[in-house]
Amino acid sequence: SQQGEEDPQALSIQEGENATMNCSYKTSINNLQWYRQNSGRGLVHLILIRSNEREKHSGRLRVTLDTSKKSSSLLITASRAADTASYFCATVSSSGSARQLTFGSGTQLTVLP
Amino acid sequence: DGGITQSPKYLFRKEGQNVTLSCEQNLNHDAMYWYRQDPGQGLRLIYYSQIVNDFQKGDIAEGYSVSREKKESFPLTVTSAQKNPTAFYLCASSIYSGAFQGETQYFGPGTRLLVL
Repeated sequence: SQQGEEDPQALSIQEGENATMNCSYKTSINNLQWYRQNSGRGLVHLILIRSNEREKHSGRLRVTLDTSKKSSSLLITASRAADTASYFCATVSSSGSARQLTFGSGTQLTVLP
Repeated sequence: DGGITQSPKYLFRKEGQNVTLSCEQNLNHDAMYWYRQDPGQGLRLIYYSQIVNDFQKGDIAEGYSVSREKKESFPLTVTSAQKNPTAFYLCASSIYSGAFQGETQYFGPGTRLLVL
């Protein structure tokens, strides 16, 4: 079963605007990761946020984590056409012995020039 | 260049045929993974291996088999028992600290499997 669910499923914005994607999950987590996938390609890791962290930045990316609401958001500022891709959140459960990544179904972001 | 390679890029399978997808990494990672991605969906874990000569089933292992004879290699065989194999297959690797905490995974470019 997929733990993380992204919202919205698709997002279309103009270049220069900010893009916000949300991820909700069901069980307690050890960490949450965001990945990007260009069409027909493999995934690229963007950022990892641990359960005891609330916010993390990397370049134009800002990730927040609210463990009480079991949700995370990914903000891309000053978007560019090259940011067009699918974005996935992946959670690592804090229970059980095998800490695999469980992926959501992704948000398809289109940045229009 | 360090990274993960997958081959072939496209693979065609005939009815009743077993096919093997290759995954090689030179990142010196202990852990390797195979995922299946269907159109418009997220990734689902097929198998994973934390160390050579050991592997574990993921969420959708039925109809698939793997081996881990070398640290660098983790081939996936799609057997004839997998009735709906058409999908995009992604291999990944990560470090394994011994206390598996869900480390960052590095992905290959993928293999698209199509049924003739």
